[in-house]
Amino acid sequence: KAGVTQTPRYLIKTRGQQVTLSCSPISGHRSVSWYQQTPGQGLQFLFEYFSETQRNKGNFPGRFSGRQFSNSRSEMNVSTLELGDSALYLCASSMGQGSYNEQFFGPGTRLTVL
Amino acid sequence: AQSVTQLDSQVPVFEEAPVELRCNYSSSVSVYLFWYVQYPNQGLQLLLKYLSGSTLVKGINGFEAEFNKSQTSFHLRKPSVHISDTAEYFCAVNPYGGATNKLIFGTGTLLAVQP
Repeated sequence: KAGVTQTPRYLIKTRGQQVTLSCSPISGHRSVSWYQQTPGQGLQFLFEYFSETQRNKGNFPGRFSGRQFSNSRSEMNVSTLELGDSALYLCASSMGQGSYNEQFFGPGTRLTVL
Repeated sequence: AQSVTQLDSQVPVFEEAPVELRCNYSSSVSVYLFWYVQYPNQGLQLLLKYLSGSTLVKGINGFEAEFNKSQTSFHLRKPSVHISDTAEYFCAVNPYGGATNKLIFGTGTLLAVQP
């Protein structure tokens, strides 16, 4: 079974631009979560989707948004990029929703904002 | 609210030596506990998890962890490390019975195995 895939793997943008990152979960998985990883803040939860609905949201400004499609694929969007948005963005998928579910992580998208 | 503390940001160890990576958590409710490993330029891989039952949990690559409720700890151990174990290790929690997959991570411990 193929793992979680994220595209693109690397991205360079300038301040003020917007960016869209994509995540394809493992086949059969219906839940997708997004995390931001930075050296200063570590791993922080962005949001979680299940059956096309956002179920939970982390403490990030409204510039960060996401969505999930009927095939469980998910995208996250960051508008008006700031230098501090430079990070590794990780997507994780799991079969269902619930704290006992094992989450499988993708390789991440490394975003650099200049 | 929950929080996770990994006191050691970096642990240097010689190959074939034992290692323990420490994790303490704070929570007003019961939690599930996880250890993840991240190799350079890769995502996170689950090493092991504690959901219930035996407090000694065995995972992949020879790692094990022991849940200690009274000390709110979940330390990760390996009796003999290899060069290939060099990576960053993250401890994480999720509230028990929650309808969310949200993980709260510690700041990570870099395990540096030297020959």
